[in-house]
Amino acid sequence: AQKVTQAQTEISVVEKEDVTLDCVYETRDTTYYLFWYKQPPSGELVFLIRRNSFDEQNEISGRYSWNFQKSTSSFNFTITASQVVDSAVYFCALSEAESVTSYDKVIFGPGTSLSVIP
Amino acid sequence: DGGITQSPKYLFRKEGQNVTLSCEQNLNHDAMYWYRQDPGQGLRLIYYSQIVNDFQKGDIAEGYSVSREKKESFPLTVTSAQKNPTAFYLCASSRRQGQSYEQYFGPGTRLTVT
Repeated sequence: AQKVTQAQTEISVVEKEDVTLDCVYETRDTTYYLFWYKQPPSGELVFLIRRNSFDEQNEISGRYSWNFQKSTSSFNFTITASQVVDSAVYFCALSEAESVTSYDKVIFGPGTSLSVIP
Repeated sequence: DGGITQSPKYLFRKEGQNVTLSCEQNLNHDAMYWYRQDPGQGLRLIYYSQIVNDFQKGDIAEGYSVSREKKESFPLTVTSAQKNPTAFYLCASSRRQGQSYEQYFGPGTRLTVT
């Protein structure tokens, strides 16, 4: 069965510190996709990244970076030099691609609430 | 600007009344979704639609109904049968199924039923 675990419920850091948000997933499929979304206080989820199971290269986008390790079933998210605007709830999600005609169910983790203190 | 709109942002209803939440997208996406989010929790899927005139139940469909008469629109009705309707409701859309494309979300509607 699919499952996404985000063990860190809440994290507080001081501005400019680096912070890593953990995501551990469970799946029986060899083909799957992983996502990170940001939910700021306004409520709207913002898509950050999509990664398929065959691409284990780490990705960097500005202050954001992602570390995908199939050996440990983890897809961790690091924010470098955090800023107050990074304060939000971050969700990790997993989807197993079935077929063109079927539904790719997305399982969201419970989220990690990040507070960046000025 | 392409995106998803949900209205209203806040909605208050008396117990026993049905209420319809609006969701419109101009991204030309085939698939649309409705999620429910309770405080401190993740998202739970209510209904999804892969194509016009077709929709399927998600994990918590009881007490909810939807329609998909147009590609751009996917309204959700919270019926009086829903036992605990107070929650934050998020609508999303994505490109076609089968490739696990990312979902794009609307700003949400916060429903309070008293």
